[in-house]
Amino acid sequence: TQLLEQSPQFLSIQEGENLTVYCNSSSVFSSLQWYRQEPGEGPVLLVTVVTGGEVKKLKRLTFQFGDARKDSSLHITAAQPGDTGLYLCAGESGNTPLVFGKGTRLSVIA
Amino acid sequence: GAVVSQHPSWVICKSGTSVKIECRSLDFQATTMFWYRQFPKQSLMLMATSNEGSKATYEQGVEKDKFLINHASLTLSTLTVTSAHPEDSSFYICSAGGAISSYNEQFFGPGTRLTVL
Repeated sequence: TQLLEQSPQFLSIQEGENLTVYCNSSSVFSSLQWYRQEPGEGPVLLVTVVTGGEVKKLKRLTFQFGDARKDSSLHITAAQPGDTGLYLCAGESGNTPLVFGKGTRLSVIA
Repeated sequence: GAVVSQHPSWVICKSGTSVKIECRSLDFQATTMFWYRQFPKQSLMLMATSNEGSKATYEQGVEKDKFLINHASLTLSTLTVTSAHPEDSSFYICSAGGAISSYNEQFFGPGTRLTVL
């Protein structure tokens, strides 16, 4: 069974601080996706990383896929209250359903 | 593009009744749709995978006779919670995947909050 371990589970920081969320597995994934979910809503796709070592930037968010395609990280620079939410990583491997991590609940305090 | 809708967004029902939730892909054809359940402050739990025109594949521990899934067209899947009980109260989310990109990306609906009294 493929598992994705996300850390930390909870994170509460002050506005302006930087943070990194990690997603790790012992399995290799064809691609890895990051989603953000706000309370009472469905997850929204932020990015998909495919190539080992790939780095993608989305404004203040930087996503990296590990060289071996077993892990990924999400770094947020100068966090803002609007970044508050549940961040989920999900790994894709062949035709099996996406494997989701347990999520990181981020709270950015103004 | 890649918009998925769900209806209703919330529903309250009495114990013993059945509730149908619709999931629609609005601007693309979804060959595969997924149904998830999410408890408060937890991640998504996959319930079943449905492919258009075929029977759904249920995850271990999910009762197929209780959670009826129909994927009759490339833009619509329905989840019916039969004989609902208070323990079925949860946030149900669907997602759709299709030939939008070369990756197995899923696009999620806004969710349906079910409360069973």
